[in-house]
Amino acid sequence: DTGVSQNPRHKITKRGQNVTFRCDPISEHNRLYWYRQTLGQGPEFLTYFQNEAQLEKSRLLSDRFSAERPKGSFSTLEIQRTEQGDSAMYLCASSLSRRTNEKLFFGSGTQLSVL
Amino acid sequence: ILNVEQSPQSLHVQEGDSTNFTCSFPSSNFYALHWYRWETAKSPEALFVMTLNGDEKKKGRISATLNTKEGYSYLYIKGSQPEDSATYLCAFDSSYKLIFGSGTRLLVRP
Repeated sequence: DTGVSQNPRHKITKRGQNVTFRCDPISEHNRLYWYRQTLGQGPEFLTYFQNEAQLEKSRLLSDRFSAERPKGSFSTLEIQRTEQGDSAMYLCASSLSRRTNEKLFFGSGTQLSVL
Repeated sequence: ILNVEQSPQSLHVQEGDSTNFTCSFPSSNFYALHWYRWETAKSPEALFVMTLNGDEKKKGRISATLNTKEGYSYLYIKGSQPEDSATYLCAFDSSYKLIFGSGTRLLVRP
């Protein structure tokens, strides 16, 4: 399978704990995006990378969120001191390049539940 | 703040019915309009990416139109089948990120 892979699929944690998610994009894709989706809403932009450079981070993200993409390959999203409001589906997507008609390829997401 | 709106929020139809959804988006700073289908327990999957005013795209029984001047797109499904049941998302491409609507949840009853 050469699609976008996300791990874990599900994560249950207690409030205050730190969690880390991983995304492996399609190998030749240099753009990588993180989105968050809550019930009844569409995916909400969090951040994106061009290779290893993080080019934008949503103002909606607090300092508890951090993302990395070392060597421009896989990416990790860490949430520190989780809160119940962080419960959501976290989606990763990648694309080959930045053209106006470039579609995104999504992973299956990581469902986070904060108790 | 860029706002993308979709209607209806949900739709229940009978197998064989034809249906359509609406996506409205800002008419300025337009780069492209994307449609994705998201089936339960699967990944969102791209249906269409449309860039030109008046664009019409078709994939099997599904088609889409685009009006960039007035800021709307329609997605049509002809002869709905139970396997078409999914959430249909549109997304406004603002040059480096996609702004998604809340989606239309379609349920096709056999």
